[in-house]
Amino acid sequence: QKEVEQNSGPLSVPEGAIASLNCTYSDRGSQSFFWYRQYSGKSPELIMFIYSNGDKEDGRFTAQLNKASQYVSLLIRDSQPSDSATYLCAVNTGFQKLVFGTGTRLLVSP
Amino acid sequence: GAVVSQHPSRVICKSGTSVKIECRSLDFQATTMFWYRQFPKKSLMLMATSNEGSKATYEQGVEKDKFLINHASLTLSTLTVTSAHPEDSSFYICSAPGPGFYDEQFFGPGTRLTVL
Repeated sequence: QKEVEQNSGPLSVPEGAIASLNCTYSDRGSQSFFWYRQYSGKSPELIMFIYSNGDKEDGRFTAQLNKASQYVSLLIRDSQPSDSATYLCAVNTGFQKLVFGTGTRLLVSP
Repeated sequence: GAVVSQHPSRVICKSGTSVKIECRSLDFQATTMFWYRQFPKKSLMLMATSNEGSKATYEQGVEKDKFLINHASLTLSTLTVTSAHPEDSSFYICSAPGPGFYDEQFFGPGTRLTVL
């Protein structure tokens, strides 16, 4: 069973702080990793993807991948109330299929 | 990013009726599309992989006769919920791998089905 684990939260951070979201996966052969943001009642929206060990930055978002530890994280700098949402970690297990974690709910307070 | 549309966005139907949901890739071709369902406060559950020109591949536990999938063209996949019952009420979302190299998937806006 290929699994993706996330802490369900909620993770509460004040506006302007750094939010750190974590994800672990079980399939050591996984090659690409994705972070999606989902607002309540809406479908997931792709934020970032990463496939190489290390960091990948895009604006206020940084994805980090450590394949040896089977660990992916997403950092959100200068968190804004509009960042409040559920963040889904997804892993490509082959044949273009994604396995999703249960998501971490982020609450950014003004 | 690539754009995926879904129609309808919301549907309410009586128990026993069938409901068809359309998923379209608007600015790219998709030989493969995926159908998910999501219950409140739960993660996405992959139901099936829709394959253009061949039969859909269903995940374990998903009734293929209940959830009919047709991938009619390179830009259109449909999901038909047959003889819907209240327990089929859910948020149904389709996705398609974009034209990029790393198979990032783009999601449609979803269809909220309520069966009375």
